[in-house]
Amino acid sequence: DARVTQTPRHKVTEMGQEVTMRCQPILGHNTVFWYRQTMMQGLELLAYFRNRAPLDDSGMPKDRFSAEMPDATLATLKIQPSEPRDSAVYFCASGSGPLGETQYFGPGTRLLVL
Amino acid sequence: GEDVEQSLFLSVREGDSSVINCTYTDSSSTYLYWYKQEPGAGLQLLTYIFSNMDMKQDQRLTVLLNKKDKHLSLRIADTQTGDSAIYFCAEQADSWGKLQFGAGTQVVVTP
Repeated sequence: DARVTQTPRHKVTEMGQEVTMRCQPILGHNTVFWYRQTMMQGLELLAYFRNRAPLDDSGMPKDRFSAEMPDATLATLKIQPSEPRDSAVYFCASGSGPLGETQYFGPGTRLLVL
Repeated sequence: GEDVEQSLFLSVREGDSSVINCTYTDSSSTYLYWYKQEPGAGLQLLTYIFSNMDMKQDQRLTVLLNKKDKHLSLRIADTQTGDSAIYFCAEQADSWGKLQFGAGTQVVVTP
């Protein structure tokens, strides 16, 4: 059955290192969302794409975060350099419906920055 | 998540009905959603309702929508231990598919 996949599932890294998270949306979905979830802030939207073009990345710290969709089957979220406050669970979701509004979430990448 | 509000916690006995409530602010939202998150997992889409509907039923789940009061509820009949999770309410926030999520309601089912 179709689902969103994310890699890696877990990542432990040291402060200052680059982190790359990958997402494969459900085939045929043309809207992709990146979220971050923490206990303190809850679920935050970082960025989203439609037909591979970025629509809104205002939720993302621009100096260290970047999000891209090299092709329709891959979305990436990079953090460079990483900081301890980036520790969180990062979710990718892909959207169906005329506006991509029905979102299906991946299992998440659990990031710990030491 | 301040635009979508939910109570933070609900305790319910196994076999009883659970009702999770949510208020939202954008009266132009076309769709409203309920997601479930189990520990260590991603958000799972449970159900959604189109804004021109008052009610939607799907097996043990019933969604009620009161557009006048901007109130959405999710009723789970015959609650089971497997229903213990965090439940998120979400409204459509823009014309591109962005969703505004509530903070989530932790549901604990006791034997």
